[in-house]
Amino acid sequence: EIVLTQSPVTLSLSPGERATLSCRASQSVSSYLAWYQQKPGQAPRLLIYDASNRATGIPARFSGSGSGTDFTLTISSLEPEDVAVYYCQQRNNWPPLTFGGGTKVEIK
Amino acid sequence: EVQLLESGGGLVQPGGSLRLSCAASGFTFSSYVMSWVRQAPGKGLEWVSSISGSGHDTFDADSVKGRFTISRDNSKNTLYLQMNSLRAEDTALYFCAKDRLGGVFDDWGQGTLVTVS
Repeated sequence: EIVLTQSPVTLSLSPGERATLSCRASQSVSSYLAWYQQKPGQAPRLLIYDASNRATGIPARFSGSGSGTDFTLTISSLEPEDVAVYYCQQRNNWPPLTFGGGTKVEIK
Repeated sequence: EVQLLESGGGLVQPGGSLRLSCAASGFTFSSYVMSWVRQAPGKGLEWVSSISGSGHDTFDADSVKGRFTISRDNSKNTLYLQMNSLRAEDTALYFCAKDRLGGVFDDWGQGTLVTVS
């Protein structure tokens, strides 16, 4: 089973700052990594798939990069509505599909 | 507009059974892999099961294998999860999700809560 480790656990930034979230895989997942955003009390929403492809309707301030075992989700300029938990998820070698533990993004 | 509406959750005793449903609309249901993903209270996301568009192929997490069965009725645009031998650790919000690429969940329902106690 591929284990995904996300860091940091919590990220606290001011509006307008750049947010950098990391996801590291226990073995290569090629580019088959997705990112999801989950706001409090809501279902997850797909942000990025296959490492760098923005899903439909996702603002351009969200971008993804990486391949192999190291991936990054960047929010170029943090907005108050970006407060959420962000999860990475791999689909390179499944079953099982696996998720990371999440990074909580807060506004200072 | 894609809509996924889960139902069937509730309180059940350990060892009991429950059947979840997910009514889908707004897309060609039979063309898509569908999945269940769960989230224990205050915890992260855990993939549970997936089923091919035809229903012929299913995949399960080890934690539910032999206890949960995913199925679908394409004539009713409905996804199911039959849960047997429930345990306290199965307590979670269960989401139905549409799969766009074989493991990428592009649409989610709001979830149905299962409590095993």
